[in-house]
Amino acid sequence: EPEVTQTPSHQVTQMGQEVILRCVPISNHLYFYWYRQILGQKVEFLVSFYNNEISEKSEIFDDQFSVERPDGSNFTLKIRSTKLEDSAMYFCASSGTNSNQPQHFGDGTRLSIL
Amino acid sequence: QKEVEQDPGPLSVPEGAIVSLNCTYSNSAFQYFMWYRQYSRKGPELLMYTYSSGNKEDGRFTAQVDKSSKYISLFIRDSQPSDSATYLCAMSVGTDSWGKLQFGAGTQVVVTP
Repeated sequence: EPEVTQTPSHQVTQMGQEVILRCVPISNHLYFYWYRQILGQKVEFLVSFYNNEISEKSEIFDDQFSVERPDGSNFTLKIRSTKLEDSAMYFCASSGTNSNQPQHFGDGTRLSIL
Repeated sequence: QKEVEQDPGPLSVPEGAIVSLNCTYSNSAFQYFMWYRQYSRKGPELLMYTYSSGNKEDGRFTAQVDKSSKYISLFIRDSQPSDSATYLCAMSVGTDSWGKLQFGAGTQVVVTP
């Protein structure tokens, strides 16, 4: 069964450094998402992306965050200058030909900011 | 008031019992309702997906949506130790929200042999 893959599984970064989290969505999917889950808290929406542009973003997704689909397969989340509070699990998800189709998630990248 | 409320548990049941999970919500605009299962250190895995009110069955899983009460449920029949996981409800308003999901806190389920 097709799946969403995320790399790396764990990223450790010094505060203030830039970090890029990578995702390969399911191949025929058109809608892409990033969510995060701080330890012990709910999964929270960050951003949705369709047709090479951001469709919607949450208040968490400030100027320090950006997303990109650099080629036909990868979808990335960049955090420009990481803060301690950015430590969380980051999940990538994708859905099919319309945004009402169910989203399928990857296993996440655990981001630890020191 | 939180938009999606879910009892975090843990909910402990003996093998073979029925597991009953539920979520309540406040936003009457939600139209799409999902249940995900999450094992430790893994991503959410889609279990059930329903639109609007009604019931949906898939094997041992039954999802119910009561939009008038703003209440959704998931039932797992003949529970197995491998069903031990955290179960997340999630919902969205549909096209206008570009698929943005609102999650519950997740209920931890433990099925004991």
